[in-house]
Amino acid sequence: DVKVTQSSRYLVKRTGEKVFLECVQDMDHENMFWYRQDPGLGLRLIYFSYDVKMKEKGDIPEGYSVSREKKERFSLILESASTNQTSMYLCASSYFYRTGEDGYTFGSGTRLTVV
Amino acid sequence: SQQGEEDPQALSIQEGENATMNCSYKTSINNLQWYRQNSGRGLVHLILIRSNEREKHSGRLRVTLDTSKKSSSLLITASRAADTASYFCARTGANNLFFGTGTRLTVIP
Repeated sequence: DVKVTQSSRYLVKRTGEKVFLECVQDMDHENMFWYRQDPGLGLRLIYFSYDVKMKEKGDIPEGYSVSREKKERFSLILESASTNQTSMYLCASSYFYRTGEDGYTFGSGTRLTVV
Repeated sequence: SQQGEEDPQALSIQEGENATMNCSYKTSINNLQWYRQNSGRGLVHLILIRSNEREKHSGRLRVTLDTSKKSSSLLITASRAADTASYFCARTGANNLFFGTGTRLTVIP
């Protein structure tokens, strides 16, 4: 089975800290994505990447950066965590540049709380 | 917003009944997908319907697509308590997905 693994299920960080959220997929997918999910707002795309060292801004990139040094790993970085970044963060990956029949495969999510 | 909108926001039914969820979107699509999310977990891909298809089945799931109305529906037949989850439609953009806000389905045993 395709697996997308997010390094932490729950994280608590202090305001101003630099936070790294890691995501690893084991199926050689080209595309990787970071979403955040908030009640009433659904899933919003933060950043995505379609190749190593490539990144594209999504709908809400402010306050975030990403890194993709290896094909299987896509990291989301909160440069200086703030309380409004408390959220559920979901990583996803897919084979195709244009989504094919497989759809996206999601990780289990990281619930981040910034205090 | 490029997101879709699911309707209703919440749905509660008895086990064995059918559940219908609707999704509307604003722009043209290549395909539309439905996902399921159990509480506090990641999303699971259920089914994809292409813009040139009108109906698709997968087990107890039936998806319809009306591109003239920019809408889709997901029907779950003979619901089970284990179907309790949130369901999202997702519209395919140029190279990523735009998700709706979801329908929370509760199936009462």
